[in-house]
Parts: sequence; C-alpha cells; structure tokens
Amino acid sequence: EAGVTQFPSHSVIEKGQTVTLRCDPISGHDNLYWYRRVMGKEIKFLLHFVKESKQDESGMPNNRFLAERTGGTYSTLKVQPAELEDSGVYFCASSQEAVWETQYFGPGTRLLVL
Amino acid sequence: AQSVTQPDIHITVSEGASLELRCNYSYGATPYLFWYVQSPGQGLQLLLKYFSGDTLVQGIKGFEAEFKRSQSSFNLRKPSVHWSDAAEYFCAVGAGAEEYGNKLVFGAGTILRVKS
Repeated sequence: EAGVTQFPSHSVIEKGQTVTLRCDPISGHDNLYWYRRVMGKEIKFLLHFVKESKQDESGMPNNRFLAERTGGTYSTLKVQPAELEDSGVYFCASSQEAVWETQYFGPGTRLLVL
Repeated sequence: AQSVTQPDIHITVSEGASLELRCNYSYGATPYLFWYVQSPGQGLQLLLKYFSGDTLVQGIKGFEAEFKRSQSSFNLRKPSVHWSDAAEYFCAVGAGAEEYGNKLVFGAGTILRVKS
C-alpha cells in the first residue's frame, strides 16, 4: 500500500511568487491534514479536510494560503504571494477515520522563500 | 489550550545504552498521546500511541512509553539504543473532536544522536 506522497520534495522561490504544494493521501482515507514546521519551531496544524470539505482551518496563518481538495482525493496548498516567513517544511497526513485514528504523514515539502 | 513540552532539544547516547525522552503535556482531560519519529529524508512515523487503558504502551522498534497522569508526562523509553535510532522524536497530543477537532499539537522535538 502506497503511503502519503507529497510533491515537490523541495521548492525554492522568490518572495512574491506563487507556489503550489500537492499531497496525495493514502487511498481510501477521507481525512487529510496539513501541518507546517517553521525552522526552529514546533510542527503546527494548518487545516483538516474530510473528503472535499474543510472541517477545521483554524491553523491557516492568513489569506495568502489556499487549500483545496478536489473530489476528496488529492489536496493542494497554494501560497500566493509567498513571504519570507512562509519558509519551512509542509507536512501532509491522512487517516481513515477522524477520531484518533493514526495520522500517516508524508515526507514533507521543504519550502524556501528568498 | 493544549501544549506539549519536550525539554531536551538534543540528546546523545552511546549505542547499547538506555534512552528516555521526556514529554510533558498540558490538557485538562485525559489526552490522546503519540510519539512520532522522523529519520532524515523521511516522513513522520508513528512509534506508539496512548488512548486509554494500560498506561505502559509498547510500540514499534522496541520503544515503550508510560502515561503518568499525576505528572502530566508521557516519556519514551528504549532499553538499548541502536545506531539506526538516530533521528528526531516528536511527542504529540490530541483532544476530542468536539472540542479541538482532530488536530495534533506537537512538541518542539528532540534530536537523538547515537555514538558508537
């Protein structure tokens, strides 16, 4: 069974540009989560999808971040325009059931904004 | 609000020695507790989790953790460390969906170095 995959693995962009991160959850997992780790800080929750619906987006830092999950399958996280403080590692996780099933994490996308 | 403290940023142990990584949490009710490990270039892998019942939890790779409510702690232990255990370890806490959703709250992580 394939795990959670994320693309790209690394991205280096200039301040003001747009970047789109993609996450493919484990097949059959309705729940998809985005987390972010800014350098030197904790991993922090961004948002949670149940199928194609946003269940909880309380962790999204501002309106420069837009997450979508088309058809309840893969998800994208777009940052537009990117700022220096957006640099970090963006993790995606998925789980089958919502209530405290194990969240399986992808390898992360390392984003560097110059 | 929930919070997790991992007081040790770095720990170095000799191969074959025992290991204990500390984790303290702040949450009013009984939390859901997790330990994840991230090896270089890899995603976070679940080592073990505590939901209820026996407070000593066994995980993968020979790890165990003990939930101590009185100390608000969930320390991770391994009796004999292998060089392949060198990685970053994260403690995380979750709460009931009706209150906080299903998000995990992570500690800052502990980097484990193993010396031969």
